[in-house]
Amino acid sequence: AVQLVESGGGLVQPKESLKISCAASGFTFSNAAMYWVRQAPGKGLEWVARIRTKPNNYATYYADSVKGRFTISRDDSKSMVYLQMDNLKTEDTAMYYCTAARRDWGQGVMVTVSS
Amino acid sequence: NTVMTQSPTSMFISVGDRVTMNCKASQNVGTNVDWYQQKTGQSPKLLIYGASNRYTGVPDRFTGSGSGTDFTLTISNMQAEDLAVYYCLQYNYNPFTFGSGTKLEIK
Repeated sequence: AVQLVESGGGLVQPKESLKISCAASGFTFSNAAMYWVRQAPGKGLEWVARIRTKPNNYATYYADSVKGRFTISRDDSKSMVYLQMDNLKTEDTAMYYCTAARRDWGQGVMVTVSS
Repeated sequence: NTVMTQSPTSMFISVGDRVTMNCKASQNVGTNVDWYQQKTGQSPKLLIYGASNRYTGVPDRFTGSGSGTDFTLTISNMQAEDLAVYYCLQYNYNPFTFGSGTKLEIK
């Protein structure tokens, strides 16, 4: 069965950095575009970032709200996808979900940015 | 960026009802639209991809339709387990964008 397990969340102060991870299993990871989607408390879903596969040169795309601050990456040898978040703002507080090809979703990891 | 406008924001329904919700794109997105279901405290689940293709294991009471700028998700014979928030997503243009959701509540 497909499993996506996010980790690395927590409480950080504004302007700090945090890197969250997603461990994938149960499918051919290297063939799947990977995404991060977030949801602020009590709010709707917001698409954050996408990374394509090796044949597509691992192209990356970002929401305007995070462009220049967040970096998505992947390690196909470990079936892992990452989100490096720099210069965090209070409005980045959210549950962050990892999704494989938009089909399968993890349970999410909470990131709280507060002083 | 492509704006996805969902309507209505919420609906009060009864078990057995036929439910229709809509998503309107600010520009032509072809059929590159997904529909997701999110129950309270859970992660989203894919229901429909490519505007009208039911994902594996999704009951056939869920039907997606539309192309271009106007999309519809229909639930025939609403069940109690279908109470959730439903979101559309366009993936035709970067950045991908979600609608704001339609919440189904019991009448």
